[in-house]
Amino acid sequence: DTGVSQDPRHKITKRGQNVTFRCDPISEHNRLYWYRQTLGQGPEFLTYFQNEAQLEKSRLLSDRFSAERPKGSFSTLEIQRTEQGDSAMYLCASSLPTAGGEEQFFGPGTRLTVL
Amino acid sequence: AQSVAQPEDQVNVAEGNPLTVKCTYSVSGNPYLFWYVQYPNRGLQFLLKYITGDNLVKGSYGFEAEFNKSQTSFHLKKPSALVSDSALYFCAVRAPYSGNTPLVFGKGTRLSVIA
Repeated sequence: DTGVSQDPRHKITKRGQNVTFRCDPISEHNRLYWYRQTLGQGPEFLTYFQNEAQLEKSRLLSDRFSAERPKGSFSTLEIQRTEQGDSAMYLCASSLPTAGGEEQFFGPGTRLTVL
Repeated sequence: AQSVAQPEDQVNVAEGNPLTVKCTYSVSGNPYLFWYVQYPNRGLQFLLKYITGDNLVKGSYGFEAEFNKSQTSFHLKKPSALVSDSALYFCAVRAPYSGNTPLVFGKGTRLSVIA
């Protein structure tokens, strides 16, 4: 499968614990996005990378959230001191740059449940 | 800031009938518009996009969408619905000449095609 992959697919944790998710984009894609999707809502942008540079972060991304893409390939999203409000589906997407109109390819998501 | 509205949470249609899923947008200038579909336990899949040119855009699985600038709409259509079209559909917008900005999604419309 040469699509976007995410690991784990499901994560259950207790409030206050740290969690880390991984995203492997399509290999030739240099843009990588993280979104969060809660029930009944569309995906909401969190942050994005072009190669290893983190170029934009949403106000949704509190100080407890950090993302990295150290070698411009896979990316990790860490949530520290998780809260019940962090429960959501975390989606990763990748794309190739064009003149603003490239489609993003999404992974299956990581569903986080904070107890 | 750009935004997307999908006024219907749910659309029900009989198999073989035409379907329409509505989307309106708000953005300064000419937008880049996208439709994605989400099946259970799977990532979002790209259906089609409007960047410029012909207002009627054809996409995957027989779907099409019409860009209407005066009504700021980008409704998704299909002439004959299939049961397998039942899924969650998201409209998304990106501001023009924005290069790297992420997609802004609507809340989604659940399409149910009844045999």
